[in-house]
Amino acid sequence: QLHLQESGPGLVKPSETLSLTCTVSGGSISSTNYYWGWIRQPPGKGLEWIGNIYYSGSTYFNPSLRSRVTISVDTSSNQFSLKLRSLTAADTAVYYCATQGYSSGYYELDYWGQGTLVTVSS
Amino acid sequence: DIQMTQSPSSLSASVGDRVTITCRASQTIGSYLNWYQQKPGKAPKLLIYAASSLQSGVPSRFSGSGSGTDFTLTISSLQPEDFASYYCQQSYSYPHTFGQGTKLEIK
Repeated sequence: QLHLQESGPGLVKPSETLSLTCTVSGGSISSTNYYWGWIRQPPGKGLEWIGNIYYSGSTYFNPSLRSRVTISVDTSSNQFSLKLRSLTAADTAVYYCATQGYSSGYYELDYWGQGTLVTVSS
Repeated sequence: DIQMTQSPSSLSASVGDRVTITCRASQTIGSYLNWYQQKPGKAPKLLIYAASSLQSGVPSRFSGSGSGTDFTLTISSLQPEDFASYYCQQSYSYPHTFGQGTKLEIK
C-alpha cells in the first residue's frame, strides 16, 4: 500500500518560486507501475492536472503551466518534486501529489497525498 | 485540450435514491475515463477507472458506463457517506483534464 506525503511552505510571495516535495513510502519511486503526478485545487474550485514524471525522468505537463513548471524525481530519497515559478495569487491552491497507474494502461490517479495548501500573498 | 463537461453541477437526493451523473468529452476518448469522489477537506478518492472498472475496496453500488464521448456514474442506492463531490477525468491524452465536478447534497 503506497503512502504519499506532500511537504513545503504554506505561504509564498508573489513572483517567487514554489517548491514542493512528495515523499513516497510503501513502495519504490523506481517502480515501472506508476507515473508520479501533481494536481492542484484552488479553494472552492475544481481539480487541475499539473503534470507527471516517470522514474526514468520522462515528463508531461499541462500546457497552461508548462513554461513555469519543473517536475523531478530523486530515486535515492524516494521522492519527487514540483517547482512552480513566477507565482501569482491565481496559484493559491491545495496541491496534491498522486500516482498515475501505468501498469493498468489507464493512468488513473489511484494513490493520493493528503494535500498541502499553498497561499500566494505578500 | 479535451474539455470534460459534467452534468448536473449539483444534485439533491435522499438516502436510498438511485443517482446518475453524466460526463461528456469534447472528443472521443475511448474508455480512458476515471471517476473520483471528494469529501470536504480530503483528497479525491478513485472510484472507477477505465470507464467501468471498480477500484478495489469501492462498494458495488457504484458503477460506471460509457465509451467514446458519453459516460455515466451511477450510485444504485445512496448511503449517507456518499454525499460528496464527484469528478470525472479523461486520461486519453495530455493534459489529463477533469470535469468541473458535481456536488451531491442531501435533500
